[in-house]
Amino acid sequence: SQQGEEDPQALSIQEGENATMNCSYKTSINNLQWYRQNSGRGLVHLILIRSNEREKHSGRLRVTLDTSKKSSSLLITASRAADTASYFCATGRQTGANNLFFGTGTRLTVIP
Amino acid sequence: ETGVTQSPTHLIKTRGQQVTLRCSSQSGHNTVSWYQQALGQGPQFIFQYYREEENGRGNFPPRFSGLQFPNYSSELNVNALELDDSALYLCASSPGTANTGELFFGEGSRLTVL
Repeated sequence: SQQGEEDPQALSIQEGENATMNCSYKTSINNLQWYRQNSGRGLVHLILIRSNEREKHSGRLRVTLDTSKKSSSLLITASRAADTASYFCATGRQTGANNLFFGTGTRLTVIP
Repeated sequence: ETGVTQSPTHLIKTRGQQVTLRCSSQSGHNTVSWYQQALGQGPQFIFQYYREEENGRGNFPPRFSGLQFPNYSSELNVNALELDDSALYLCASSPGTANTGELFFGEGSRLTVL
């Protein structure tokens, strides 16, 4: 079963706009990560935020984490057509499992 | 490029057959995780190998089995294939257990079961 849920399931924006994707999860975590997947290919790591962090930046990416609400958001600023992909959040649990649990993904389409 | 390679990239099997998928981990990584990704879904954890031992398993039946070799490459074997086994199988390597840091994924093996 999936650990988390992304919202929205699909998002379509114009190039240059910002894209925001949300992730909710269910258990205590030690980190939350975001991955990108181009159509039917492998996943690429974007950014990791630890449970004691609230916000992190990497280039055009901004991630926030609210452990009290068990939620995270990924913001992509000034989107480009090349950002079109599926985005997944993944959580590393504090106890009980040593793997990452992936969400259901958000399909982002950036229209040129 | 993550340095993780998987083979084959695509394959077609029929129900009841067996399949072996292979993965070469990134240099210096001693942990390999396998995930199954059905169409339109997120990756589901199958199992993880650390230094040639299985050290975590998801909710998959025993007909899904694996190996890790001394060079940390890995195989995923699936026996008695079922139609629902059709999916993208992803291998990921990491320098430690997979819940603590970044995973480095291969491009996947697309399995179709007819």
